[in-house]
Amino acid sequence: GAGVSQSPSNKVTEKGKDVELRCDPISGHTALYWYRQSLGQGLEFLIYFQGNSAPDKSGLPSDRFSAERTGGSVSTLTIQRTQQEDSAVYLCASSVGGGGRREQFFGPGTRLTVL
Amino acid sequence: GESVGLHLPTLSVQEGDNSIINCAYSNSASDYFIWYKQESGKGPQFIIDIRSNMDKRQGQRVTVLLNKTVKHLSLQIAATQPGDSAVYFCAEIPKNSGGSNYKLTFGKGTLLTVNP
Repeated sequence: GAGVSQSPSNKVTEKGKDVELRCDPISGHTALYWYRQSLGQGLEFLIYFQGNSAPDKSGLPSDRFSAERTGGSVSTLTIQRTQQEDSAVYLCASSVGGGGRREQFFGPGTRLTVL
Repeated sequence: GESVGLHLPTLSVQEGDNSIINCAYSNSASDYFIWYKQESGKGPQFIIDIRSNMDKRQGQRVTVLLNKTVKHLSLQIAATQPGDSAVYFCAEIPKNSGGSNYKLTFGKGTLLTVNP
């Protein structure tokens, strides 16, 4: 079946512009995660959605970052007034359930470059 | 602060050799430890995990060892193949504390290169 998909695959923007990154999780997966991966670094947790529960936004680095998940499926990560330090690969993952489920399925990521 | 890290950033092996990738962790309160593989241009892919009450777990061509005394985790790959070339990340899941046991904390990764 289809895996996690993300769009766009690459995004180049100018400093100060807003960007939206999209994630389509695996159908039926109730948990959805966003991570950020800077060059040569590990993954940094950003936000977690589980069903209809309030998302865990504790990993968002600033109030310029926000995310929503509509209808329990597609998610959008929005970065307002982008800065050069926002340049990274943004990865989305989904899993059958949250809490104790170890296998998260990752999408290919969106590479964001802020000029 | 608590963190998950790696001893070696790069590892180069010959095809057919066994590979060992190491990871040190500092959070004794982790419930699970996980290994992910990330090929160039792709997202990480789950390989194997081990619960904190275990010392060893085997999968297909892979074995994960957990040494809680020295807070060390390793991934052994038998008969390494060119397709195993990737960055390998260890990650941990904390014990259920406030319902946050879904958060993965990743190390920085080890680049494994398999030479034909």
